[in-house]
Amino acid sequence: EVQLVESGGGLVQPGGSLRLSCAASGFTVSSNYMSWVRQAPGKGLEWVSVIYSGGSTYYADSVKGRFTISRDNSKNTLYLQMNSLRAEDTAVYYCARGGGSGSNLFLDYWGQGTLVTVSS
Amino acid sequence: SYELTQPPSVSVSPGQTASITCSGDKLGDKYASWYHQKPGQSPVLVIYQDSKRPSGIPERFSGSNSGNTATLTISGTQAMDEADYYCQAWDSSRGVFGTGTKVTVL
Repeated sequence: EVQLVESGGGLVQPGGSLRLSCAASGFTVSSNYMSWVRQAPGKGLEWVSVIYSGGSTYYADSVKGRFTISRDNSKNTLYLQMNSLRAEDTAVYYCARGGGSGSNLFLDYWGQGTLVTVSS
Repeated sequence: SYELTQPPSVSVSPGQTASITCSGDKLGDKYASWYHQKPGQSPVLVIYQDSKRPSGIPERFSGSNSGNTATLTISGTQAMDEADYYCQAWDSSRGVFGTGTKVTVL
């Protein structure tokens, strides 16, 4: 059974850093592409980042240069390092597994989310 | 950057058909997927590759995509289908979500 469990969220001051983790089971993280998606309170879904099986990474313009996506194959875990955090980064962060390939991409399994609050 | 636009809300009576549109430049040249999200829960994939249903998704959910518009159709809508719905596509290797539509079953 595919499971994704996020952790690492919490309260952080503006300008601070946080690292989110997403522990996967039931499949191999390095064999799939994996994404982070966030949702600010009362708002819609916002795609944040993706890491493809080959290691290529991409980011939304809103986080580029501040966030870094990575994975640890030995731990079958996905990470999101978040630096220079701003109030507008406050959101529930979901990790999601990618399905399909080529131009046919979609997110078929999602974690339960972890809340990040950026506030002084 | 690429944008996907959805109507903020759609209302439907039980047993009737609800249609949710998702508009984007030449969206028909990409694959669209759809997710629903109930309050306090994580999103769930309901349609991928424009019109395919994942295992466990009822047949009343269907999708199409052509031109600049993708459409999610819920036939015989049930009270349990009340949720927020989001379309998604990928552009230049980056994901894009639609603005979201709240479906209310009256």
